[in-house]
Amino acid sequence: AQSVTQLGSHVSVSEGALVLLRCNYSSSVPPYLFWYVQYPNQGLQLLLKYTTGATLVKGINGFEAEFKKSETSFHLTKPSAHMSDAAEYFCAVSEGPFNTGTASKLTFGTGTRLQVTL
Amino acid sequence: DAGVTQSPTHLIKTRGQQVTLRCSPKSGHDTVSWYQQALGQGPQFIFQYYEEEERQRGNFPDRFSGHQFPNYSSELNVNALLLGDSALYLCASSTRDTPEQYFGPGTRLTVT
Repeated sequence: AQSVTQLGSHVSVSEGALVLLRCNYSSSVPPYLFWYVQYPNQGLQLLLKYTTGATLVKGINGFEAEFKKSETSFHLTKPSAHMSDAAEYFCAVSEGPFNTGTASKLTFGTGTRLQVTL
Repeated sequence: DAGVTQSPTHLIKTRGQQVTLRCSPKSGHDTVSWYQQALGQGPQFIFQYYEEEERQRGNFPDRFSGHQFPNYSSELNVNALLLGDSALYLCASSTRDTPEQYFGPGTRLTVT
């Protein structure tokens, strides 16, 4: 079974400061890893994904994440926070393609609410 | 390019009733997955439909059922509603051989 742990249910940073949201996963097979963002009363928007290859992946809005197999981590970072980054962030893991070739189910963490202050 | 759409946006039902939620996938996508997101929690996988068949299922009771139509749209049905079924129901679409799923805005179900 897969699982995701997001350390820190709430993170507060000043505008312009580094954003670091932590994600650790558990998987019995090589994982596919994702970060999604959810704004109030909206669905989830894909920020970035890791499947294979380069372990540092870049996403939208200046976010990036690094897959570290030895640490079973996939932390999300952004060099400089903006007020518009305030939202809920979810890390998710899947097992790679299902036997039908379709995307495997996603297992999500409980989320981290990012607050950005002036 | 139309994204994933869901209807209705909000729904209020009484315990014991039945509800049907609808989802149209992103253009070009043929796979639909459904997730339940309780307040303050991450989404939980309910099931996935591909080629009009349920392909994967999460840990949800048989009260939760679904359907996929030839145009790839999908319905989620919940029978005998319980108070605990109150949640945001998210539909996600994807296409074969790509790992990412794209989510719709969700349907907020309140059971009273």
